[in-house]
Amino acid sequence: EPEVTQTPSHQVTQMGQEVILRCVPISNHLYFYWYRQILGQKVEFLVSFYNNEISEKSEIFDDQFSVERPDGSNFTLKIRSTKLEDSAMYFCASSEALVVGGYNSPLHFGNGTRLTVT
Amino acid sequence: AQSVAQPEDQVNVAEGNPLTVKCTYSVSGNPYLFWYVQYPNRGLQFLLKYITGDNLVKGSYGFEAEFNKSQTSFHLKKPSALVSDSALYFCAVPSTSGTYKYIFGTGTRLKVLA
Repeated sequence: EPEVTQTPSHQVTQMGQEVILRCVPISNHLYFYWYRQILGQKVEFLVSFYNNEISEKSEIFDDQFSVERPDGSNFTLKIRSTKLEDSAMYFCASSEALVVGGYNSPLHFGNGTRLTVT
Repeated sequence: AQSVAQPEDQVNVAEGNPLTVKCTYSVSGNPYLFWYVQYPNRGLQFLLKYITGDNLVKGSYGFEAEFNKSQTSFHLKKPSALVSDSALYFCAVPSTSGTYKYIFGTGTRLKVLA
């Protein structure tokens, strides 16, 4: 079964450094998302992406964050200048469509990148 | 605004016993409700959904969920719990913002004791 893949699985960086988290969504999917989870608890929406542009972003997704789909297969999340509070598990997700048969398509998640900012 | 609430942080159940993980919802319009499961060090996996029709929805791994409109609830159930069901469970609802991002509950950790 096709799956969403994320690399690296764990990234350690120093405060103020830039990080890029990479994701390869399922190939026929059109909608892409980044979520994050702090301390294995609440899953927070960061951003959604469709047709090469951001569809929606949360308050968390400030100017330090950006997303890109550089080559038609990868989907990246960049944090320009990391802060301690950016430490979290970051999940990429994709779905084939917003609505299929009149209902919302489930999201398919990758296994996440654990970002540790020191 | 669409929202879901999971009132229990943790549920413990003995192996072989029935389990219930609770979720209540607040939505405008028709409720579309989802359950996801997260195993350790893994991403969330879709379990089941309620769109319309039968109030009892069957999903993966023997799980089912009961939609109750009068109680605005969508509780996840399984008749006989397995140790391997131990995981974090999230109830979710799509937002109506146009991008249909999912809004997740705070999660309930299920612990099945051997």
